[in-house]
Amino acid sequence: GAGVSQSPSNKVTEKGKDVELRCDPISGHTALYWYRQSLGQGLEFLIYFQGNSAPDKSGLPSDRFSAERTGGSVSTLTIQRTQQEDSAVYLCASSDRLAGGLEQYFGPGTRLTVT
Amino acid sequence: GEDVEQSLFLSVREGDSSVINCTYTDSSSTYLYWYKQEPGAGLQLLTYIFSNMDMKQDQRLTVLLNKKDKHLSLRIADTQTGDSAIYFCAESKSSASKIIFGSGTRLSIRP
Repeated sequence: GAGVSQSPSNKVTEKGKDVELRCDPISGHTALYWYRQSLGQGLEFLIYFQGNSAPDKSGLPSDRFSAERTGGSVSTLTIQRTQQEDSAVYLCASSDRLAGGLEQYFGPGTRLTVT
Repeated sequence: GEDVEQSLFLSVREGDSSVINCTYTDSSSTYLYWYKQEPGAGLQLLTYIFSNMDMKQDQRLTVLLNKKDKHLSLRIADTQTGDSAIYFCAESKSSASKIIFGSGTRLSIRP
């Protein structure tokens, strides 16, 4: 009965480096979402996966951001050439679309700090 | 466009009712949510309401929806110290689609 897990929980990186953030959704959940929460702000949608395909990637802020999902399970969000404005908490959520998909279950997030 | 707005802070006395308000702009929103975020904890769905409803009650929580004014509120009766958290109003067009969140209202409880 594990929930959504994310790794690492914290990441400090230098400006210009690439980072990979990982999300393990709840087993069997077909839908997976990435959001970003900047300090003092609400959650900003980044990308949505249904299975391994991404029907909505409208929230990715630039082409430095990409994400993939393999085996209908684990997803990786990659940020290339990180900038200071990328500093935020990156949240992953999953839902069971076959069961209606109404509730998105959120992971604890990865706090990314770009120095 | 899609936008959800809510006030940033609310302070209430323990035992009083808390009312958190929210407005949204997208008239095609089908689902409206209230999420709770406690310090050090993940985001948790508190309650939701379909756009064809105008009220939903769940124990101490009452959600009111005025679809004409695109106004959503969350009332917490008998507010307790454990209710201290950030409350996010959110909307989506369909289940399993992306959720648009407000900036969150930080609720603090006075003794």
